[in-house]
Amino acid sequence: DAGVIQSPRHEVTEMGQEVTLRCKPISGHNSLFWYRQTMMRGLELLIYFNNNVPIDDSGMPEDRFSAKMPNASFSTLKIQPSEPRDSAVYFCASSPGLESPLHFGNGTRLTVT
Amino acid sequence: AQTVTQSQPEMSVQEAETVTLSCTYDTSESNYYLFWYKQPPSRQMILVIRQEAYKQQNATENRFSVNFQKAAKSFSLKISDSQLGDTAMYFCAFGNNAGNMLTFGGGTRLMVKP
Repeated sequence: DAGVIQSPRHEVTEMGQEVTLRCKPISGHNSLFWYRQTMMRGLELLIYFNNNVPIDDSGMPEDRFSAKMPNASFSTLKIQPSEPRDSAVYFCASSPGLESPLHFGNGTRLTVT
Repeated sequence: AQTVTQSQPEMSVQEAETVTLSCTYDTSESNYYLFWYKQPPSRQMILVIRQEAYKQQNATENRFSVNFQKAAKSFSLKISDSQLGDTAMYFCAFGNNAGNMLTFGGGTRLMVKP
């Protein structure tokens, strides 16, 4: 089991550019979560999917953020346009069901200059 | 909305000693889950221990155990026989009755000294 795989591990981009973060959940896991970690706000849930369907996106900070899960093995988090305040570590996590513990990926450190 | 508070930003312990990390939470729900996650410098979030609120018995995983006080809404983590590899950020988290929509505390940075 390779675990939850996120790419890229690091991303540096300029303000105004589009950024796409990618996540491959553990095979067989049908719940997927995107979290953001910053020094100021800690770990925040952005959005979660169950069986590829977005269930709760109330944590998405604004319309510049969007997330998709086109199939059970892939999800993206897109920021367009990016701003310096989006700099953070973005984690993807998956679980086999809503009552099972989360398995986190290694995160993507995003720096927007 | 739930809140999770970790009142100790930083702690240190000597190798082989025991340390307890504090966590309190606030919720109006009766059924929920509580977790402790470890984040070493590698950045990975690793599940340390999990407690179901309906279980009175405190969870234990090897050197890690919890003291769950439901009435006081307290959920502390005890690490026995601390090892250098325990050095990390530790996050307490609350999960709703579905278990894995997590609200995290601000974290405690633990340093284990040789």
